[in-house]
Amino acid sequence: ETGVTQTPRHLVMGMTNKKSLKCEQHLGHNAMYWYKQSAKKPLELMFVYNFKEQTENNSVPSRFSPECPNSSHLFLHLHTLQPEDSALYLCASSQEEGLRDYGYTFGSGTRLTVV
Amino acid sequence: DQQVKQNSPSLSVQEGRISILNCDYTNSMFDYFLWYKKYPAEGPTFLISISSIKDKNEDGRFTVFLNKSAKHLSLHIVPSQPGDSAVYFCAASWGKLQFGAGTQVVVTP
Repeated sequence: ETGVTQTPRHLVMGMTNKKSLKCEQHLGHNAMYWYKQSAKKPLELMFVYNFKEQTENNSVPSRFSPECPNSSHLFLHLHTLQPEDSALYLCASSQEEGLRDYGYTFGSGTRLTVV
Repeated sequence: DQQVKQNSPSLSVQEGRISILNCDYTNSMFDYFLWYKKYPAEGPTFLISISSIKDKNEDGRFTVFLNKSAKHLSLHIVPSQPGDSAVYFCAASWGKLQFGAGTQVVVTP
C-alpha cells in the first residue's frame, strides 16, 4: 500500500463506547497529524507528532487520546464522546514538521458518528 | 480566531471558463501558502503552493497569485473542466498549516 491509509472509513459509536482510529503512512515521513473536519468549518488541527514525539495538542478534550508508537503509525483513541464530536477525522503526514516546501499527504478520513 | 478565510462557500462556473477562488489571511507571519482539492469521501490532495517571496506560481491550468500587502491569495483555474468540481481549501503556514473552510466548486457543462 502507498500513501496514507486510515481505518475504519466509517464508525458509529455510542457515547459510552471506546474505539480507536488508525492511521498508517508508507511515505517515510516523520511528522503525522490529526485533523477534525466539521461541516462548513475549516480543518481543525488536533495533534501533531514529529519523530514520534507529540509537539502540539490544540486544546483537545481528554476524551481524545492520541498515540504514536512509531513514525509510520498514529492512533486516536476515543472514549465517552459527545454527539458534537461527530465529524470527519483526517490523518496527514509530512516529511518533517515545520518544513514548508512540501504539502501534507492526507488519508481519506474516518467518518465518525456519535449516537 | 480564524486566520485563514474563504468567504465564498460555493462557486459555479461553466466548463471552459475561468474559476477564481479567493482566500484572505490575517497573520503576517505566514510565509507559505497552499491550495488543496478534496473530492467527496477522499482526503484533501495538494494542488499548488506559493512562497511568500513570490507573487505568482503557475502549474498547468492552475495559477496561484499572492498579494502580501492585501493579505490575499487567489487560485485561478483555466480552462475549468468537469473534473475540477470539488472542494478547494486554502492553507497557510509558518510551521503548521492553518486551513480555510473551503469553497465548493461546481463546473457545469
